[in-house]
Amino acid sequence: SQQGEEDPQALSIQEGENATMNCSYKTSINNLQWYRQNSGRGLVHLILIRSNEREKHSGRLRVTLDTSKKSSSLLITASRAADTASYFCATGENTGGFKTIFGAGTRLFVKA
Amino acid sequence: EPEVTQTPSHQVTQMGQEVILRCVPISNHLYFYWYRQILGQKVEFLVSFYNNEISEKSEIFDDQFSVERPDGSNFTLKIRSTKLEDSAMYFCASSGQPYGYTFGSGTRLTVV
Repeated sequence: SQQGEEDPQALSIQEGENATMNCSYKTSINNLQWYRQNSGRGLVHLILIRSNEREKHSGRLRVTLDTSKKSSSLLITASRAADTASYFCATGENTGGFKTIFGAGTRLFVKA
Repeated sequence: EPEVTQTPSHQVTQMGQEVILRCVPISNHLYFYWYRQILGQKVEFLVSFYNNEISEKSEIFDDQFSVERPDGSNFTLKIRSTKLEDSAMYFCASSGQPYGYTFGSGTRLTVV
């Protein structure tokens, strides 16, 4: 089955810098979502971009989607220590069953 | 802010025992899901549920698993005869539209 795969697996930056995480997937999708997870706790939905959209913004988050390359990126601008978490891309399947498949995640560490 | 509530937060059970994990989704949501995350691994799709029936299930969701929405508010996951490898965090999620989930904080299941 298709899966989003994030790159890099881990990222360490200074507070104030931008963080970019990439995601690739294998088959056609209905949408792509990004989630954040703090230390094994529940996942928090950040943003959903539909397959016919190319870019979406939400606060300090910017997501792009390139369906021709089957890839997406999440940019967090002006990062803060509180952004330290794991970030997952998740692809919404076109199977009619409302299934979302999660990637392995990128662990982001923002140093104060 | 409406939230998805899961109980218990931690359950320890003996191998071979049945467990029921409980979830109260957001009240006006129509789509319900169970996911699990083995420690340090990916978030894995188990099942999606809509219109009082399973929409889709994964290979993990075998005959040992079942879901129910017994009273219009609770959404339960039952594991009939637990195995050691069922030890994981189990996350319930709900959404008003397909995709873009609100997750609960999870139940940590430990099978001994």
